[in-house]
Amino acid sequence: KQEVTQIPAALSVPEGENLVLNCSFTDSAIYNLQWFRQDPGKGLTSLLLIQSSQREQTSGRLNASLDKSSGRSTLYIAASQPGDSATYLCAVFSGTYKYIFGTGTRLKVLA
Amino acid sequence: GEEVAQTPKHLVRGEGQKAKLYCAPIKGHSYVFWYQQVLKNEFKFLISFQNENVFDETGMPKERFSAKCLPNSPCSLEIQATKLEDSAVYFCASRLGTLQSNVLTFGAGSRLTVL
Repeated sequence: KQEVTQIPAALSVPEGENLVLNCSFTDSAIYNLQWFRQDPGKGLTSLLLIQSSQREQTSGRLNASLDKSSGRSTLYIAASQPGDSATYLCAVFSGTYKYIFGTGTRLKVLA
Repeated sequence: GEEVAQTPKHLVRGEGQKAKLYCAPIKGHSYVFWYQQVLKNEFKFLISFQNENVFDETGMPKERFSAKCLPNSPCSLEIQATKLEDSAVYFCASRLGTLQSNVLTFGAGSRLTVL
């Protein structure tokens, strides 16, 4: 059974810092992994999708990497801003054809 | 449209009443997923559809929950005889197809409060 864990559960950093969010999964047989952000009371916004054959994806200040063999993905946020404050979730899409979500990391960027 | 539209945004029901939620997936998307978010971040898979066919319903509490995706109609999730523990935000998401590159797009969610 696929299990997805995110560390840390919460993170508070000053503006301008570069930071790394971690996502671990137990079954490496995945199709893709998607990173989302969720603002309080809102839905999920897709940030990056990494296919199983890819090692990383970049969008603006965000970079996501994938190491399937070790069951890990990281989301790197460069030069963090207060507007980046949100909960970040990773979701793994695998052979069961459903997305299994991680527990999320609550990020607060202080001005 | 280019967004997943969920209605209503908020729904309040007394315990034992029926609740029905709706989801219009992005036009052309073949797969629809329903998720339940009870605690702050825990997303529980409920059911998925491939067009109007149930694809995976392993997450559904079958005795009270049912869902449909009929042609030319929004998908629906119905809860008969709601319980307090059904209070949650219900998210619908859609996906174009089965390619690895297909992104899962979420709606804004429907918040159900059972009193």
